[in-house]
Amino acid sequence: EPEVTQTPSHQVTQMGQEVILRCVPISNHLYFYWYRQILGQKVEFLVSFYNNEISEKSEIFDDQFSVERPDGSNFTLKIRSTKLEDSAMYFCASTYAGAYYEQYFGPGTRLTVT
Amino acid sequence: QKEVEQNSGPLSVPEGAIASLNCTYSDRGSQSFFWYRQYSGKSPELIMSIYSNGDKEDGRFTAQLNKASQYVSLLIRDSQPSDSATYLCAAAYSGGGADGLTFGKGTHLIIQP
Repeated sequence: EPEVTQTPSHQVTQMGQEVILRCVPISNHLYFYWYRQILGQKVEFLVSFYNNEISEKSEIFDDQFSVERPDGSNFTLKIRSTKLEDSAMYFCASTYAGAYYEQYFGPGTRLTVT
Repeated sequence: QKEVEQNSGPLSVPEGAIASLNCTYSDRGSQSFFWYRQYSGKSPELIMSIYSNGDKEDGRFTAQLNKASQYVSLLIRDSQPSDSATYLCAAAYSGGGADGLTFGKGTHLIIQP
């Protein structure tokens, strides 16, 4: 069964550094998402992406964040200058039109900012 | 502000019994609702989706939606120890693909053997 994949599974970075989190959505899916979950807290929406542009973004998704689909398979989240409070699990999700937009999540990348 | 509220639990249920999980949402315009299961340290796994008032059954799971009361529930029949997890309720506003999901904090379910 097709799955969303994410790399790396764990990323450790120093405050102020740039990180890129990578995702490969399910191949026939058209909508892509990033969420984050700070330890012990709820899953929070960051951004949705369709047809090579951002569809919707939350208040969390400020200028330090960007997303890109650099090729036909990858979907990336870049955090330009990481802060301690960016430490969280970051989940990528995808869906296709006609499935009532049921979103399927990848395994996540644990980002630790030191 | 769109909010989804869940009792954090833990909810303890004997093996073989029915587990009942509840969720309320604040935005009356929300169109579609989802239940996810999340094991500790893992990602959310989709269990059920529901869009219309009433019940929707899938195997041991039944989702119930009451839009007038802004209430969503999940029933798990014949509960198994492997059902022990945190159950996340999520809502989508427009029901379209652009929607980010609004999640509740989740209910921690423990199935006692």
